[in-house]
Amino acid sequence: ETGVTQTPRHLVMGMTNKKSLKCEQHLGHNAMYWYKQSAKKPLELMFVYSLEERVENNSVPSRFSPECPNSSHLFLHLHTLQPEDSALYLCASSARQGGITDTQYFGPGTRLTVL
Amino acid sequence: DQQVKQNSPSLSVQEGRISILNCDYTNSMFDYFLWYKKYPAEGPTFLISISSIKDKNEDGRFTVFLNKSAKHLSLHIVPSQPGDSAVYFCAANTGNQFYFGTGTSLTVIP
Repeated sequence: ETGVTQTPRHLVMGMTNKKSLKCEQHLGHNAMYWYKQSAKKPLELMFVYSLEERVENNSVPSRFSPECPNSSHLFLHLHTLQPEDSALYLCASSARQGGITDTQYFGPGTRLTVL
Repeated sequence: DQQVKQNSPSLSVQEGRISILNCDYTNSMFDYFLWYKKYPAEGPTFLISISSIKDKNEDGRFTVFLNKSAKHLSLHIVPSQPGDSAVYFCAANTGNQFYFGTGTSLTVIP
């Protein structure tokens, strides 16, 4: 399998549930990202991992907890979410070889609905 | 406050004509700009990029123009094809941060 994959593609959860989103990249990249896309809003960068270390955490509520066990896998653990957290969650990866150019490649996203 | 703006939510163009998608940004520290294309139920797909040291980059039917003094970016598609119908996002990068616009939905009419 090539590119960036995400599972599940769709998730419906209650506010008291705990669930996890999974992302896997098969591109040999060393940086991975989580984004949130809400309706009629730009993509919001949530977390950045570079060489398995978190390098950015853009004021994301603690009910979202990322985990990067290795450079190919990224998880987003969810607990006690709110209905306003319903959105498309996109994972991306990039080569991050230094310099100023760094192109991200996206997975298909997980459509999350919080009831 | 949005640092990358796409002020046209939608655009319709006749097949064979030029499509011009526009993007404005506010942060002069951005050093790399990208365009992504997104079909429904898929993630964004990288299309073309440009470094801040250039003012034009061309790849087949796609050309990106950068006007740093105006903080303006545009994507030209010539000739437009029905398969180009999608949502186009512009993005800007500095350091670890990437900022995206809200997207422009392009419809190419056969």
